[in-house]
Amino acid sequence: DAKTTQPNSMESNEEEPVHLPCNHSTISGTDYIHWYRQLPSQGPEYVIHGLTSNVNNRMASLAIAEDRKSSTLILHRATLRDAAVYYCILRDDAGGTSYGKLTFGQGTILTVHP
Amino acid sequence: DVKVTQSSRYLVKRTGEKVFLECVQDMDHENMFWYRQDPGLGLRLIYFSYDVKMKEKGDIPEGYSVSREKKERFSLILESASTNQTSMYLCASTPGGPYYGYTFGSGTRLTVV
Repeated sequence: DAKTTQPNSMESNEEEPVHLPCNHSTISGTDYIHWYRQLPSQGPEYVIHGLTSNVNNRMASLAIAEDRKSSTLILHRATLRDAAVYYCILRDDAGGTSYGKLTFGQGTILTVHP
Repeated sequence: DVKVTQSSRYLVKRTGEKVFLECVQDMDHENMFWYRQDPGLGLRLIYFSYDVKMKEKGDIPEGYSVSREKKERFSLILESASTNQTSMYLCASTPGGPYYGYTFGSGTRLTVV
């Protein structure tokens, strides 16, 4: 499975933008870039995913490098509720299966200061 | 919103007991997964299923089995619970194809004593 590299931790102030980086230099053409976050004592929550183009949804934006070897999750205005562990994952759909597996790394612990 | 419901939030079982962890999703998803999460080890895939009665081993299947008799329900079975199976267990589901995210349940914290 292709691997991702994320900083262990990041800090932000409330209402400021946050840019969470992820490196995935061995990404293959069929890998989708997924981001999930996990709040304390909860299961992971889907945030956003993309293949080649930048993506926006109500939670965040995903900026994907042109060579796809890196991506950045952007939280436009951090709130205290955004404090969580953020996982960048490559979904492996090689072989045309319908069940792309997610392999979780250690993620980035985001701390948001009031 | 899609819901993935795990039957128990907290569970305490004795060594050697047979343990069933149940997971139900309400959006007709083809694919369902069981992960366990341990401090320092992150989330690890135990088993997954891409259709009724179909199952595939994940990265750490030893000591576990699964059952998927109906599309909406995916059960994780610990045939003979051991203390090293004390963990947080997370169920997830997703539709077929690469265009969708996963939906996770809230987790079951299992303690084997």
